[in-house]
Amino acid sequence: EPEVTQTPSHQVTQMGQEVILRCVPISNHLYFYWYRQILGQKVEFLVSFYNNEISEKSEIFDDQFSVERPDGSNFTLKIRSTKLEDSAMYFCASSGTGVGQPQHFGDGTRLSIL
Amino acid sequence: AQTVTQSQPEMSVQEAETVTLSCTYDTSENNYYLFWYKQPPSRQMILVIRQEAYKQQNATENRFSVNFQKAAKSFSLKISDSQLGDTAMYFCAFMNYGGATNKLIFGTGTLLAVQP
Repeated sequence: EPEVTQTPSHQVTQMGQEVILRCVPISNHLYFYWYRQILGQKVEFLVSFYNNEISEKSEIFDDQFSVERPDGSNFTLKIRSTKLEDSAMYFCASSGTGVGQPQHFGDGTRLSIL
Repeated sequence: AQTVTQSQPEMSVQEAETVTLSCTYDTSENNYYLFWYKQPPSRQMILVIRQEAYKQQNATENRFSVNFQKAAKSFSLKISDSQLGDTAMYFCAFMNYGGATNKLIFGTGTLLAVQP
């Protein structure tokens, strides 16, 4: 069964540095998402992406964050000038066309800001 | 704004028994989708079951079934014949129908431990 893959599985970064989290969605999916889960808390929506542009973003997704689909397979989340509170698990997800299609998640990237 | 509430932070069940996880939600919309996702210690979020709000029939998927009460805005998950591999965090999630995107709104999760 096709899977969403995320790299790296764990990223440790100094505060103030930039990080790029990478995702390869399922190949025939057209909707892509990033979610965040701070340790012990619920999963929170960050951003959705369709047709090479952001379709919706949460209030968490401020100017510090950006997403890109640099080629036909990768979907990246960039976090500039990282802060301690950016430490979390970041999940990428993708879904097919059609209303109510379930989202398929990757294994997540654990981001630790020191 | 929609909200999802899971009032049971932790639950425990004996292997082979049945357990029900609760979920309530709040929305003014009439058409939407509800999901249960499972997150085992390996941390990947796995879809367990999906329910369309316009369908009165409760969704089932092998040992997993839901009790969807639209008027009460309740969406509980029943796991029959519990297995050790069912040990995981379970998240209830809401998706609005026809929204700008298909974003999911998650509850806080219920940690289920299946005991041998």
